[in-house]
Amino acid sequence: DVKVTQSSRYLVKRTGEKVFLECVQDMDHENMFWYRQDPGLGLRLIYFSYDVKMKEKGDIPEGYSVSREKKERFSLILESASTNQTSMYLCASSLAGIEQFFGPGTRLTVL
Amino acid sequence: QQQVKQSPQSLIVQKGGISIINCAYENTAFDYFPWYQQFPGKGPALLIAIRPDVSEKKEGRFTISFNKSAKQFSLHIMDSQPGDSATYFCAAEVGNTPLVFGKGTRLSVIA
Repeated sequence: DVKVTQSSRYLVKRTGEKVFLECVQDMDHENMFWYRQDPGLGLRLIYFSYDVKMKEKGDIPEGYSVSREKKERFSLILESASTNQTSMYLCASSLAGIEQFFGPGTRLTVL
Repeated sequence: QQQVKQSPQSLIVQKGGISIINCAYENTAFDYFPWYQQFPGKGPALLIAIRPDVSEKKEGRFTISFNKSAKQFSLHIMDSQPGDSATYFCAAEVGNTPLVFGKGTRLSVIA
């Protein structure tokens, strides 16, 4: 079974803190994605990566950065957390053009 | 042109009834149309998917109907059960590019 794991289920941070969200997949997938999910807005793509050390901006990259140093790991970084970044963050991975597998999500609250 | 428009935003169906969720797209290059199901506290998971060379795909109680000329596709859940209560997302993709998601439909099946 494909497994996508995220480092935390719940996270509470303060405004201005640097926040790291980690995602690891165990199926040797080339593609990895970060989304945020907000009520009424669906899933919005923040960043994605098709290879190690490669990254592409999604629809809402402002305020975020990513790192992919190893194929199985894709990190989302909030350089200076703000309250409008309070959200559910979902990581996913896939082979090219095939089903995306999602992690369980990290619910981030920024106070 | 990259949008996928999903309706309704929420849906309440009696147990045993048919649930129908609709999606429309503009980009005629899309060649893969999956539906994802998300239960509370979980990440989305692939439910069923279709490619545009067929007009219908059925898996158990779940059916995708695809109308290429109208650029629409829909999910039908027959004999809806309380366990089907979840949020459903349609999506579309062309080649190895990120999925474009609809905004989701919250389905509640009541006894």
